[in-house]
Amino acid sequence: KQEVTQIPAALSVPEGENLVLNCSFTDSAIYNLQWFRQDPGKGLTSLLLIQSSQREQTSGRLNASLDKSSGRSTLYIAASQPGDSATYLCAVRLIQGAQKLVFGQGTRLTINP
Amino acid sequence: DGGITQSPKYLFRKEGQNVTLSCEQNLNHDAMYWYRQDPGQGLRLIYYSQIVNDFQKGDIAEGYSVSREKKESFPLTVTSAQKNPTAFYLCASSVGAGNTIYFGEGSWLTVV
Repeated sequence: KQEVTQIPAALSVPEGENLVLNCSFTDSAIYNLQWFRQDPGKGLTSLLLIQSSQREQTSGRLNASLDKSSGRSTLYIAASQPGDSATYLCAVRLIQGAQKLVFGQGTRLTINP
Repeated sequence: DGGITQSPKYLFRKEGQNVTLSCEQNLNHDAMYWYRQDPGQGLRLIYYSQIVNDFQKGDIAEGYSVSREKKESFPLTVTSAQKNPTAFYLCASSVGAGNTIYFGEGSWLTVV
């Protein structure tokens, strides 16, 4: 059974720092991996999608990497801002039962001005 | 604007009642999904549909029902058989399995 883990559960850093969020998964047979942002009481906003054949994706200050063989992905946020404060979730799309996304529990990020 | 609309935002259910959460998308996506989110837990899949008039159970389908009569609509009914329905419900859609999945703003359901 695929399990997705995000560590740490919460992270607080001062504004301007570069930071890395971690996501690990137990089964490397994945279709793709997606990173999301969730603000309190809101739905999820898609940040980046990495297909299993890709190593990384970039969007603005965000860079996501994927190492399928080791079962790990990282989300790098450059020059963090208070507006980046949110919960960040990763999810893997399984090859078996390809419609199913398995989510991690998220990392709650706080950027202090 | 294109997107996914969920309604109502807040809903209260009495014991023994069935309630229906609406999800409408104008993105022309084939696949639609319902997830449940509980505090401290990740999202769990309730039902999904890859095409009109077809849907499959997810991990926690017991006590829920869905229909997919139109491409743009995928309503979720929380039945009285669902013993612990208080949660945040999220609807999502995607072009297909390998594509980005997009979420609505969610619906809060509380049992009173």
